[in-house]
Order: sequence, then C-alpha cells, then structure tokens
Amino acid sequence: NAGVTQTPKFQVLKTGQSMTLQCAQDMNHEYMSWYRQDPGMGLRLIHYSVGAGITDQGEVPNGYNVSRSTTEDFPLRLLSAAPSQTSVYFCASSYGQYSNQPQHFGDGTRLSIL
Amino acid sequence: AQSVAQPEDQVNVAEGNPLTVKCTYSVSGNPYLFWYVQYPNRGLQFLLKYITGDNLVKGSYGFEAEFNKSQTSFHLKKPSALVSDSALYFCAVRDLYNQGGKLIFGQGTELSVKP
Repeated sequence: NAGVTQTPKFQVLKTGQSMTLQCAQDMNHEYMSWYRQDPGMGLRLIHYSVGAGITDQGEVPNGYNVSRSTTEDFPLRLLSAAPSQTSVYFCASSYGQYSNQPQHFGDGTRLSIL
Repeated sequence: AQSVAQPEDQVNVAEGNPLTVKCTYSVSGNPYLFWYVQYPNRGLQFLLKYITGDNLVKGSYGFEAEFNKSQTSFHLKKPSALVSDSALYFCAVRDLYNQGGKLIFGQGTELSVKP
C-alpha cells in the first residue's frame, strides 16, 4: 500500500505563476484534506472533501482551489502564487467525516514563492 | 472555540531518561485526541489516539499518553528516550462539529534526545 502520495516534493515558483499540487490515496478513504504547515503555527486546514464531487473551504482557503472528481485524487491549485503561500503543504485522508480514525498524511510538498 | 496547546516549544532529554511532551485541550463534549510525530522532510506519522475508555493509551515505538479529563490534558510519555526519538511532535483534537471533522493542531514541540 502506497498510502497518501504527494507530488512534487519540492517546487519553486515565481510570484503570479499557477500550479497544481497532486494528492492521491489508495485506501478508499472518503475524507481528504489539505493543510499548510508554517513554523510555530502547527497545521491549518485549507480545503477538504467528504467524497467525490463534494468540496468545501477550511480555515485558510484564499488563493487556493480544489476539486474531487474521483475518490482517490484531490489536487490543490494555486491560482496566482504569492510569497505568503511559501509553506509546506500536506494532504491527508481518513475514513469518513467526524471519524475517530486517524488521518493519514503524505510526505508533503515544500513550496517556495519568489 | 476548540483548541489545543503545547506549552513547550522544545524539550531536551538525555538518552535513557523518561520523557514527557505536554498537551492541553479545550473542546465541547468528549474529545478525540491524537499524537503525531514528524521527522525531517517527512509527513506526520500517527502515534496514538484517545477516543474513550482507559485513560492510559499505548501507541507505536513505546510511546504512551495519559488522558486527564479534569486537567484537560493529554501528555505524551515514554519511559526511556532514544536518540532516534528526536523529532517534532504534534498533539491534535478532531473537531466533531465543523469542516467534516478537521484536525486542530497544537503548534508542535521539538524533542531533542542527547546521547
């Protein structure tokens, strides 16, 4: 089992560029989410999905879009990159919403915006 | 609002000594509590969880955590620290009312175990 796979692992962008961070899971999990990790702030929720075709905003959604066309994939799009979006991005998945099961995390994408 | 606090940015322990990483929480109702560990350039790995039942929870790599409802704490412990335990540790609570059950994280505690 691969678990949660994120690509790319590292990326450098210029201000104003757009890109898509990929996330795929092979555990048939319904709930998927994107977090960003910034020093001293823990992880904060960007967007989440409770199933294919259903997405919603988290705590810090501005500047990001998501879609969920399949159970397996949950890409995160940066529309016009800004230096404030320099961060480490983690995708996570778990069984169902409001579940007592742990979320499984990918290894992250380290993104720098110049 | 639900929240999690890790009062120590860094914990330093000598190898072989017991370690404790502190976590306190504020939630409505009964909490779903989790501990995760993050090694450099890696994602978060699940260590253990408390849902209900016995207040002492055992997890991976010899770690355990003690749930204390009256003190609203969920401290992570290990009887004998290893150098390889050095990592960033996160306490989290699952929000049972919002955003599909997002995880609310503490800010993290850097554990350093010296030989």
